[in-house]
Amino acid sequence: DAMVIQNPRYQVTQFGKPVTLSCSQTLNHNVMYWYQQKSSQAPKLLFHYYDKDFNNEADTPDNFQSRRPNTSFCFLDIRSPGLGDAAMYLCATSRAGPGYYEQYFGPGTRLTVT
Amino acid sequence: AQTVTQSQPEMSVQEAETVTLSCTYDTSESDYYLFWYKQPPSRQMILVIRQEAYKQQNATENRFSVNFQKAAKSFSLKISDSQLGDAAMYFCAYRAKTGANNLFFGTGTRLTVIP
Repeated sequence: DAMVIQNPRYQVTQFGKPVTLSCSQTLNHNVMYWYQQKSSQAPKLLFHYYDKDFNNEADTPDNFQSRRPNTSFCFLDIRSPGLGDAAMYLCATSRAGPGYYEQYFGPGTRLTVT
Repeated sequence: AQTVTQSQPEMSVQEAETVTLSCTYDTSESDYYLFWYKQPPSRQMILVIRQEAYKQQNATENRFSVNFQKAAKSFSLKISDSQLGDAAMYFCAYRAKTGANNLFFGTGTRLTVIP
């Protein structure tokens, strides 16, 4: 089945140690999104790619970076994780263009910072 | 900025009964989309139902229906004949019709279904 895959599902990293989260999709969607979801809070958009065009939300910390080497893959890099970065990270994809296109979500990666 | 508010952190319902989850939002736009997403434990978020603001008719998907009150900026979800598989976190979300495809989520309502 076509889907959005996130690896790993659970990631533990040390304070200040760089970490990379991975997202892949078999839907061939133009747009890929990264959301941060802290405990008991709403998912919050960090950034998204429209094809190769990177769009950063204004309040996304510089500590968070992203790469999209091809249509299928997108990575979230946290350069120096702090305790406050512990959260569930959700990847989503959608088609793009005029009209409405649904966002499809992956299962998320739960990041723990020790 | 758009905000979405879900005032019920937790709700419970007896199996086969009906439950309504509340959502209010704030926007200056006249046309937009509203959504309810379901996030089961340890599983991905999936779309339950979608409403377009310019459509007055309330959206319905099988046992799921909404009560969309545009003037009041209210968008509640009704689940009829609740099933054990309905137990999940439910998020209300908003998206503007034009511009970026960003979703703005509420903080969610955790629904428990009691057998």
